[in-house]
Amino acid sequence: SQTIHQWPATLVQPVGSPLSLECTVEGTSNPNLYWYRQAAGRGLQLLFYSVGIGQISSEVPQNLSASRPQDRQFILSSKKLLLSDSGFYLCAWGGQANTEAFFGQGTRLTVV
Amino acid sequence: GIQVEQSPPDLILQEGANSTLRCNFSDSVNNLQWFHQNPWGQLINLFYIPSGTKQNGRLSATTVATERYSLLYISSSQTTDSGVYFCAPLKGNTNAGKSTFGDGTTLTVKP
Repeated sequence: SQTIHQWPATLVQPVGSPLSLECTVEGTSNPNLYWYRQAAGRGLQLLFYSVGIGQISSEVPQNLSASRPQDRQFILSSKKLLLSDSGFYLCAWGGQANTEAFFGQGTRLTVV
Repeated sequence: GIQVEQSPPDLILQEGANSTLRCNFSDSVNNLQWFHQNPWGQLINLFYIPSGTKQNGRLSATTVATERYSLLYISSSQTTDSGVYFCAPLKGNTNAGKSTFGDGTTLTVKP
């Protein structure tokens, strides 16, 4: 069966520091991969998605970037964190068109 | 993009009560999922239901795509049902991961 791993679970980082969050999927090949952010008390906002290695689409302009160095690995990065980058970040994967999406356990990022 | 409105925003129930959560969306959709976000933040898949009715134990869901709404029914609620319920419709022939999320319904079930 397919599983999705996301780490770390929680992270406290100072303003101006770099960020790297990693997400990996097991049990499937060539998945579509997604990064979402959830602000407190709100729904999820799609940040990036990828349909293949090296293919990244950004949904909203921001201080973050994403990369997909391997088929089942998706990384969310920042060179210099801002206070406004605080939030709950979730990675998700899905198959081809009109199939379910499945989410990782999320990373709670606090920028101080 | 699609506008998603979930109601009610907050719901408090006594254990054993039934409830109906509603999701209205502004455009025709090819896909719709319901999720339960538990207190630890984990999103749990409840239903993949672009149309029709599905049931899973005490939960069931109905999507009427032509009228642009979906309903989630919870019967005989338990304290473990507490959390936030999201619907996520998707327009177009793409993967569900590109769905638009509503702001959710926060359900509190009291013992």
